[in-house]
Amino acid sequence: GDSVTQMEGPVTLSEEAFLTINCTYTATGYPSLFWYVQYPGEGLQLLLKATKADDKGSNKGFEATYRKETTSFHLEKGSVQVSDSAVYFCALSITQGGSEKLVFGKGTKLTVNP
Amino acid sequence: NAGVTQTPKFRVLKTGQSMTLLCAQDMNHEYMYWYRQDPGMGLRLIHYSVGEGTTAKGEVPDGYNVSRLKKQNFLLGLESAAPSQTSVYFCASKKGLAGWYNEQFFGPGTRLTVL
Repeated sequence: GDSVTQMEGPVTLSEEAFLTINCTYTATGYPSLFWYVQYPGEGLQLLLKATKADDKGSNKGFEATYRKETTSFHLEKGSVQVSDSAVYFCALSITQGGSEKLVFGKGTKLTVNP
Repeated sequence: NAGVTQTPKFRVLKTGQSMTLLCAQDMNHEYMYWYRQDPGMGLRLIHYSVGEGTTAKGEVPDGYNVSRLKKQNFLLGLESAAPSQTSVYFCASKKGLAGWYNEQFFGPGTRLTVL
């Protein structure tokens, strides 16, 4: 079935370090892919998205490229800040015959130390 | 715009009690969703609605009921609460399925504890 697998956390980095959070997916159709971020005590916010193969989503210095050949959508940031500390969720959305299926990964907690 | 709001923010129930969680959105969105978030499990879809008067089951619907009598509101009901329903509940909404409409906006969550 359709699923999303993202790297287990927690991830702890120092400020200005490079970040990669891996995400791979399994889907029967052609999904849209998303990264959501959840700051402590808040709901999820869309960070970036990509709707077709080779699309690159970007926002706030974060980037992710939709790789159909490797079924991946890895999240990257060149230089993290303390304010990036949060839980990050990879997700996919598939629409088939007018109905939709949404699947979230289990989340990766990122802590950035000064 | 307030976006997506949830009521209440916190609640403690005893086993067997009932309650209703309210989700409201002021963005004229068609689609609304209820998720639960548990440690190590990510978000799991409970029920969703594709428009006023419609509801559908998600991944984990047992023990919950929903109603969408008005477009802006999506209610989640627990008829007889169980400790396994202790969780953080999130409501989300979005405008549509195509292109940039396909972005969910989340509420701040309701933390429910069932004793």
